Amino acid sequence: DAGITQSPRHKVTETGTPVTLRCHQTENHRYMYWYRQDPGHGLRLIHYSYGVKDTDKGEVSDGYSVSRSKTEDFLLTLESATSSQTSVYFCAISDNSQGGSTDTQYFGPGTRLTVL
Amino acid sequence: SQKIEQNSEALNIQEGKTATLTCNYTNYSPAYLQWYRQDPGRGPVFLLLIRENEKEKRKERLKVTFDTTLKQSLFHITASQPADSATYLCALYSSASKIIFGSGTRLSIRP
Repeated sequence: DAGITQSPRHKVTETGTPVTLRCHQTENHRYMYWYRQDPGHGLRLIHYSYGVKDTDKGEVSDGYSVSRSKTEDFLLTLESATSSQTSVYFCAISDNSQGGSTDTQYFGPGTRLTVL
Repeated sequence: SQKIEQNSEALNIQEGKTATLTCNYTNYSPAYLQWYRQDPGRGPVFLLLIRENEKEKRKERLKVTFDTTLKQSLFHITASQPADSATYLCALYSSASKIIFGSGTRLSIRP
């Protein structure tokens, strides 16, 4: 999985509780992404980061926040989890080096989150 | 808005045949297109990239075509094997280093 770990791998929580998912990379890639994957919807971008403290929203960012204080770590927080946020969450990294960048994504193993 | 469609949710074929998966897009002119493989319980894995000025790209038993007029990419697996069974995702560059993914086609190869 290209030097990417996600923690926890599985989590069950209750509606209204805060949840933080962690993505850690050892590749020193500049770009990091959080996606959610749901049946029938494929992978949808939640937030992404293009550097330390530099983040931007994806197409399904409502209810989520992110932080990146170090190159290697990208945190996804659900401030108050809802049942609609039950999903599989994937972190991805991308090199995007200068010249002919292709944004190839390297994915972590995923976190299965269930909100009851 | 930009849209990607992978026409088949599932495709079942006999071992040894060629599997052909389709990816169509609208309202968009991507500089390149990517294909990923995803096995159950795992994250997607990058397979191939094809640029807008390339008609065809090959890697071992895999072949990808890119028709910018039809706004379509075809992904072929020749001499398919049961180990090729997986979900295959197409993806397009959107903007500002963001990728849009299709919902995937689940391919099953029966012995």
